[in-house]
Amino acid sequence: AQSVAQPEDQVNVAEGNPLTVKCTYSVSGNPYLFWYVQYPNRGLQFLLKYITGDNLVKGSYGFEAEFNKSQTSFHLKKPSALVSDSALYFCAVRDPLYSSASKIIFGSGTRLSIRP
Amino acid sequence: DAGVTQSPTHLIKTRGQQVTLRCSPKSGHDTVSWYQQALGQGPQFIFQYYEEEERQRGNFPDRFSGHQFPNYSSELNVNALLLGDSALYLCASSSPSVRSKNIQYFGAGTRLSVL
Repeated sequence: AQSVAQPEDQVNVAEGNPLTVKCTYSVSGNPYLFWYVQYPNRGLQFLLKYITGDNLVKGSYGFEAEFNKSQTSFHLKKPSALVSDSALYFCAVRDPLYSSASKIIFGSGTRLSIRP
Repeated sequence: DAGVTQSPTHLIKTRGQQVTLRCSPKSGHDTVSWYQQALGQGPQFIFQYYEEEERQRGNFPDRFSGHQFPNYSSELNVNALLLGDSALYLCASSSPSVRSKNIQYFGAGTRLSVL
């Protein structure tokens, strides 16, 4: 069974500093990995995905994620944090065996707080 | 271009009642998935509809049922509501395009409170 783990419930970073939100995964076969962000009273917004190819994936709002197969990790990163990045971040994995956009398994979420 | 829209935004029900939530997918999308997000948790997959049929189902009881209409919109029905059904219900749609079929786009959700 596939799963993702987000070991940190909360990450606190000062504005302008780099940020990292951690995610590890467990899948059989090659993983399809995603990051989504959720702002208060809003649905989830897609940030980026890894399907295949370069291990460094660039996404929306200056975010990027690094796929590391040996460590089964897919950490979300940003070189310089903004206060507006404060939100709830979810790592997710999709079953690659299905041909359609099938169910996504989400992690428990990490609350990112950027202080001015 | 409207994104995924869900209605209502908020709903209050009592135990034992039934509820219907509605979702209109993003324009051009033909697949709709439903998720339940309890407070402080990540979304949990309920089921997915494609071509008006349920294609996949998560670990939810038969009290949870759905429907997809010819215009791709969808409904989620929950019968015999329990207190534990209180959650944010999210609808997500995806495109048949090969390039983007792996991405699901989410609505803002319906917050259901069961008293």
